[in-house]
Amino acid sequence: AQSVTQLDSHVSVSEGTPVLLRCNYSSSYSPSLFWYVQHPNKGLQLLLKYTSAATLVKGINGFEAEFKKSETSFHLTKPSAHMSDAAEYFCVVSAGGTSYGKLTFGQGTILTVHP
Amino acid sequence: EAGVAQSPRYKIIEKRQSVAFWCNPISGHATLYWYQQILGQGPKLLIQFQNNGVVDDSQLPKDRFSAERLKGVDSTLKIQPAKLEDSAVYLCASSLFTGYQETQYFGPGTRLLVL
Repeated sequence: AQSVTQLDSHVSVSEGTPVLLRCNYSSSYSPSLFWYVQHPNKGLQLLLKYTSAATLVKGINGFEAEFKKSETSFHLTKPSAHMSDAAEYFCVVSAGGTSYGKLTFGQGTILTVHP
Repeated sequence: EAGVAQSPRYKIIEKRQSVAFWCNPISGHATLYWYQQILGQGPKLLIQFQNNGVVDDSQLPKDRFSAERLKGVDSTLKIQPAKLEDSAVYLCASSLFTGYQETQYFGPGTRLLVL
């Protein structure tokens, strides 16, 4: 079985300040982990993914995430927020076993960026 | 490279009516997925195809939902009859293969409102 918990349903930051979106996962197998972003009325866009290579993963638009197995976490960060980062972010887990290839999504975190 | 295409983008129907959604995946992608995203939640997998065969439809309400992928390319998702609780965004995604490390690419979605 696999599951994802996004610890904050809403995060609000000022433009130019750091962003931290928190995600914990649970999986019976070595997982792949993804962060997707969804802008209003748009489809889901892949930001980055972890697939058992480097634990620090760099994605698009200056985002990065660190896989921490001991903490079962995959938090998303960005050093400096931009107004265009305002969107909903989903942490996603995929693993082997009977759920092979199946994505399980978190509930989402809405990021608001203030001028 | 063209992305995943979906139509229509928006649909409003009355309960007990039928509706169909269409998806054209990225060229060459063997695996196709349909997700349902209810407002305020992460997407939930409805059905997964590998070429034109069903891999997983355990979450598909088969009394009212049906899906097909003829010739292993385009896919259609149908709801008959629709209920109020079917109001959601229906997302189509595709990937090269089925696998827990595979990236799924999402279309823009079809927003369904059932009155």
